[in-house]
Amino acid sequence: GQQLNQSPQSMFIQEGEDVSMNCTSSSIFNTWLWYKQDPGEGPVLLIALYKAGELTSNGRLTAQFGITRKDSFLNISASIPSDVGIYFCAGQVKKTSYDKVIFGPGTSLSVIP
Amino acid sequence: DTAVSQTPKYLVTQMGNDKSIKCEQNLGHDTMYWYKQDSKKFLKIMFSYNNKELIINETVPNRFSPKSPDKAHLNLHINSLELGDSAVYFCASSQAVRNEKLFFGSGTQLSVL
Repeated sequence: GQQLNQSPQSMFIQEGEDVSMNCTSSSIFNTWLWYKQDPGEGPVLLIALYKAGELTSNGRLTAQFGITRKDSFLNISASIPSDVGIYFCAGQVKKTSYDKVIFGPGTSLSVIP
Repeated sequence: DTAVSQTPKYLVTQMGNDKSIKCEQNLGHDTMYWYKQDSKKFLKIMFSYNNKELIINETVPNRFSPKSPDKAHLNLHINSLELGDSAVYFCASSQAVRNEKLFFGSGTQLSVL
């Protein structure tokens, strides 16, 4: 089945640093998504990408849909303590009568003040 | 008002018991989901309902039985709980069956002793 891989698994950075994380798959996806999960909460959608090569920003966050359609990256600039959490990439799988969203294993981000 | 709310937040129970988790969304969405997050934070889809109709059932043991009395509610009943059922269960909703933007509840942490 389709599987997503994320790297790194975890990151510890100083406040103010920029962050970069990746997501790869052996399969092609038509839509890539990035979600963030705060401790004790459910994931929240950050960015959705719909076209190969697309670069989209949401405040300090920037994400790109890889040209091969098998990867995506997320950058966070000038990190702050509230950026702490788990970042999940996700891909949308299209079936005959419905779509399914599958998630990568996540990148855990810790920001040291 | 919370968009997707699930109860209870915490559930501690003995092996062999039967328990239910309830979920309600006030977003007017047609599609609702149950996801399971294991101890390694991996998120896996379990079920999806579209307008009260089951559309995704991801080889989940038949001890798990979802029920959708109307499109705003999706409950999860678990029979004969096992130690391996311990996890965080997330309810989510999306506008339609072919929509990648999921809105998650804050999760139910189930601990089976």
